[in-house]
Amino acid sequence: EVQLLESGGDLVQPGGSLGLSCVDSGFTFRTYDMSWVRQAPGKGLEWVSTIRYSGSGTYYADSVKGRFTISRDNSKSTLYLQMNYLRAEDTAVYYCATMLPYFAYWGRGTVVTVSS
Amino acid sequence: DIQMTQSPSSLSASVGDRVTITCRASQGIRNYLAWYQQKPGKVPKVLINDASTLQSGVPSRFSGSGSGTDFTLTISSLQPEDVATYYCQKYNNAPYTFGQGTKLEIK
Repeated sequence: EVQLLESGGDLVQPGGSLGLSCVDSGFTFRTYDMSWVRQAPGKGLEWVSTIRYSGSGTYYADSVKGRFTISRDNSKSTLYLQMNYLRAEDTAVYYCATMLPYFAYWGRGTVVTVSS
Repeated sequence: DIQMTQSPSSLSASVGDRVTITCRASQGIRNYLAWYQQKPGKVPKVLINDASTLQSGVPSRFSGSGSGTDFTLTISSLQPEDVATYYCQKYNNAPYTFGQGTKLEIK
């Protein structure tokens, strides 16, 4: 069974950086594409980024392209999101999700707040 | 990029009512569409994939239909526990866009 646990959320100043992690405690991490999805306070779901199961392909929403980098370490069953040049509008709960190819499994999320 | 438009954005209905939410893609996506339910304060949960395939454990009062550009989520008999926001999402290719959501309340 897939169980995802995100970490790394924090309060950060505008222009700052933050790294998120998502650990899959199941046994199939290396076979699935993985994504980050975020939800700003009181707003809807926004797809952020996806990485192919092998790490060979990465995709980004226009809103984060050039600022965020998705990566994975299949030996550690861990997904990452490096966020640079953070803006107030990046404030959100960040979820990692397993793609089947829809978002089949979700973590509980980690909160990122960008504020001075 | 393909846009996903849901309607209505909010909906109030009575227990036992038949409820329909629509989702329109700006270009054809075949049947690469999923529906999610997010209850207040909870993590989103997939209800339907491939436009009409009900996920295991999802009550049979939920159903999905459509292909191409027009899709529908139907609740045949609304129950109090169905209060949630519902999202459609395309997954034929990136960007994996969500609709803006439909907030469903009990009248």
